[in-house]
Amino acid sequence: DAGITQSPRHKVTETGTPVTLRCHQTENHRYMYWYRQDPGHGLRLIHYSYGVKDTDKGEVSDGYSVSRSKTEDFLLTLESATSSQTSVYFCAISELRLSPGNEQFFGPGTRLTVL
Amino acid sequence: TQLLEQSPQFLSIQEGENLTVYCNSSSVFSSLQWYRQEPGEGPVLLVTVVTGGEVKKLKRLTFQFGDARKDSSLHITAAQPGDTGLYLCAGALYSGGAQKLVFGQGTRLTINP
Repeated sequence: DAGITQSPRHKVTETGTPVTLRCHQTENHRYMYWYRQDPGHGLRLIHYSYGVKDTDKGEVSDGYSVSRSKTEDFLLTLESATSSQTSVYFCAISELRLSPGNEQFFGPGTRLTVL
Repeated sequence: TQLLEQSPQFLSIQEGENLTVYCNSSSVFSSLQWYRQEPGEGPVLLVTVVTGGEVKKLKRLTFQFGDARKDSSLHITAAQPGDTGLYLCAGALYSGGAQKLVFGQGTRLTINP
């Protein structure tokens, strides 16, 4: 199994509070991703990183920010949590290969509930 | 906007039956991946198909990539209770110096003994 951990694994918070989720990898992979998973939507990309301090938005980035100050850590921050951000959040890592396609390795997920 | 339409979203069948899950899009992908996810865990890659028309087999699972690289299917022969899980297809796109995956909605498969 790829060395990916997420913390916390479960969190319950109040609307309007800031929340930071952490993804830590021991594989030295260049690319890191944050997804959210909701029923009927599969996984949707929030933000991704292609190197230290290099990040970009995904399809559902509103209300989220990220930071990557070290290769091994990718932080996802909800500046002011809303109930619509209740979800299961997954971190993934990958390396870029020319072929046959890049596998993304997923962490165990963080279940976030915003009351 | 859902770029990948996966069907059916739910499927419950008896052990020993065959089934097919479909993943369709109007977009062309550089590759298409199939993942399986167990409750409380992250998705795990089953297979990647890259070439149009490609067929890959993984024991009783057969994966096919459409000729135009816009669609894919997963066929399971003689399904077993151990096949129960959430199956996700994901199309790979390259932009901004990174590979991004676009996921279908998922198919929750239940195989009844």
